[in-house]
Amino acid sequence: GENVEQHPSTLSVQEGDSAVIKCTYSDSASNYFPWYKQELGKRPQLIIDIRSNVGEKKDQRIAVTLNKTAKHFSLHITETQPEDSAVYFCAALNAGGTSYGKLTFGQGTILTVHP
Amino acid sequence: DVKVTQSSRYLVKRTGEKVFLECVQDMDHENMFWYRQDPGLGLRLIYFSYDVKMKEKGDIPEGYSVSREKKERFSLILESASTNQTSMYLCASSLGGFEYNEQFFGPGTRLTVL
Repeated sequence: GENVEQHPSTLSVQEGDSAVIKCTYSDSASNYFPWYKQELGKRPQLIIDIRSNVGEKKDQRIAVTLNKTAKHFSLHITETQPEDSAVYFCAALNAGGTSYGKLTFGQGTILTVHP
Repeated sequence: DVKVTQSSRYLVKRTGEKVFLECVQDMDHENMFWYRQDPGLGLRLIYFSYDVKMKEKGDIPEGYSVSREKKERFSLILESASTNQTSMYLCASSLGGFEYNEQFFGPGTRLTVL
């Protein structure tokens, strides 16, 4: 089955700096890679996703890049703000056959943005 | 707005008790999932269901069972709770068919087994 590794486990940055979180996956058939953000005491919510036919996707201050050859993808947050402090999870899915939307998640990264 | 609710936010049970965790979604989603969340381990899939009465094992099904008698409701059952099942349990749902669909999560149930 799929295995997703996420690094780093914790990340501390100053407000205004950039933050990068990296994930690697094992199943070359995986073709959908979402990122979820979980604020303290709240439920995970989708913030951005990318499909395997795209190399990069941006949404305001966040972007995701995908390298299919190396089987890794990354989340980039620019101009970080204190409200970006949260746990971030990457995930991978082989959207085909009988996957039924079953995601494999990484271990999570605790991002702390210091004012 | 999709709404996924879980029956309890906090639950304390004794070792050996039978525990029911319930999840209800109100958006007619086909797929429903149960995860447990532990620090440093991420979200691990316990069971999922893609239709009424259908269920599939996830990555860590041992010690758990599930029930889906109605489309909107997905129950997680701990037949005989053990201390190593102390965790945060998250339910999620998504539309079926096209697998790029977003998963929507419930607020979670923090279960403590004494």
